[in-house]
Amino acid sequence: EVQLVESGGHLVQPGGSLRLSCTDSTFSVNNNYVTWVRQAPGKGLEWVSIIYLGITTYSADSVKGRFTVSRDKSKSTVFLQMNSLKAEDTAVYYCARDMDLHYDSSIGRYNYAMDVWGRGTAVTVSS
Amino acid sequence: DIQMAQSPSSLSASVGDRVTITCRASQNIRNFLNWYQQKPGEAPKLLIYAASSLQSGVPSRFSGSGSGTDFTLTISSLQPEDFATYFCQQSYSRPSYTFGQGTKLEIK
Repeated sequence: EVQLVESGGHLVQPGGSLRLSCTDSTFSVNNNYVTWVRQAPGKGLEWVSIIYLGITTYSADSVKGRFTVSRDKSKSTVFLQMNSLKAEDTAVYYCARDMDLHYDSSIGRYNYAMDVWGRGTAVTVSS
Repeated sequence: DIQMAQSPSSLSASVGDRVTITCRASQNIRNFLNWYQQKPGEAPKLLIYAASSLQSGVPSRFSGSGSGTDFTLTISSLQPEDFATYFCQQSYSRPSYTFGQGTKLEIK
C-alpha cells in the first residue's frame, strides 16, 4: 500500500531556508507524479509544486523562483527546497500522488487527481 | 488562472439529511473536477474524480455531477463521520491546479 510520509517542517526565520522530504517505502514516488499542496492555518488548500516522471517541474507563481522540487530515486524521496521564506509561507505542507484516473477520449487527455496524501509537515516562518 | 467558487461556505445539517454542495469554475473545465473531504488534523481524502466517478472505497452515498462550469457534490444520507470540510479542485489547467475555498459541513 502506498503511504507517503512528509518530514522536515519546523520553525524558521523570515528569509531562511528549509528542505521538506516526501518518502514512500513502496518506491511509488519514483514512478509517479508528485505534488506539493499547502494549507495555511485555518485556510484552504493551495497547490505549490509538481514534479513529473522525469525532472520536469512546475511551481505556483507565489513560490516561483524561491521553491524547487526535485527527486532522489535512490532514496525514493521527493524534496521541496524552500528558500527566501516569508511569513505567508507558514502552512502545513502535504505531498500527494497525482494519478491519471480517467481518460477523456473526446479530447485525448487524462484527468488527474491526488489520490494518496501524506499526513503533512508544519512549517512556521516567524522571527 | 481558473478560479473555483464553492457554495455555501458553511452548512449545518442533521444525520440522515440529503446535502448538496456547489462548485463553479470561472471557465469551461469539461469534467476535470475532483472533490476532497478533509477532517480536522487530517490530510484531504479524494472522494470523486472526473466530476462523477467515485474513488475506490468511498461510500456510495457520495455522488458528483456536472460539467463545463457548474458541479455538485451530493451526500444522500448524512452519516456522523461525514461532518468535515469539502473542497473542489480543477485539474483542467494541469499542472496549475486550483481549489475551491471549502465548505464546512457541521452538525445541526
